[in-house]
Amino acid sequence: AQTVTQSQPEMSVQEAETVTLSCTYDTSESDYYLFWYKQPPSRQMILVIRQEAYKQQNATENRFSVNFQKAAKSFSLKISDSQLGDAAMYFCAYRSENYGGATNKLIFGTGTLLAVQP
Amino acid sequence: DVKVTQSSRYLVKRTGEKVFLECVQDMDHENMFWYRQDPGLGLRLIYFSYDVKMKEKGDIPEGYSVSREKKERFSLILESASTNQTSMYLCASSLWSGRAYNEQFFGPGTRLTVL
Repeated sequence: AQTVTQSQPEMSVQEAETVTLSCTYDTSESDYYLFWYKQPPSRQMILVIRQEAYKQQNATENRFSVNFQKAAKSFSLKISDSQLGDAAMYFCAYRSENYGGATNKLIFGTGTLLAVQP
Repeated sequence: DVKVTQSSRYLVKRTGEKVFLECVQDMDHENMFWYRQDPGLGLRLIYFSYDVKMKEKGDIPEGYSVSREKKERFSLILESASTNQTSMYLCASSLWSGRAYNEQFFGPGTRLTVL
């Protein structure tokens, strides 16, 4: 069974600085997707960024980028130029690429609570 | 914009009560999901549905059931609520496309307290 581990329960960053959130996962599959989701306080969870395992190039979305190391099964999220609105719980998630049924489900890590200091 | 709504943001129930949590999505998504979110445990899948009247158990289905009579609505039912079901419940939906990835869109969550 696949597992996702986020070893940093809480992180803090100064506004305008850069922060990296860590995520490791365990799987025997070769094809899968990885995601970072953001859950702001009292607001809906939204997708920040996704990575297909077959792509060697790291995904980037504006100030958010990932460092995907397939062999090491590591998937970290880097937030550049941190803003107050980045304060949230961040979840790393895994999804199998296999077809059908509950393999469509997301497997989540335990989350990292990011505080942004003004 | 995809919209996933949940019937209540906060709910307080008594032990033994039957509890219904409702989720509605407005984008004609085939897949709908119920997750439970607890501190230190992340999100865990309770049930998911890939079509009307179709359902599959997730990782923690015990004590829960679901109903999907219409495509846009997915209900989570606690037949006899217990205090260990106090939690945040999140609904999500996505398109179905086999192997391809489709983003899951989440509702705002229902924080359920069972006394």
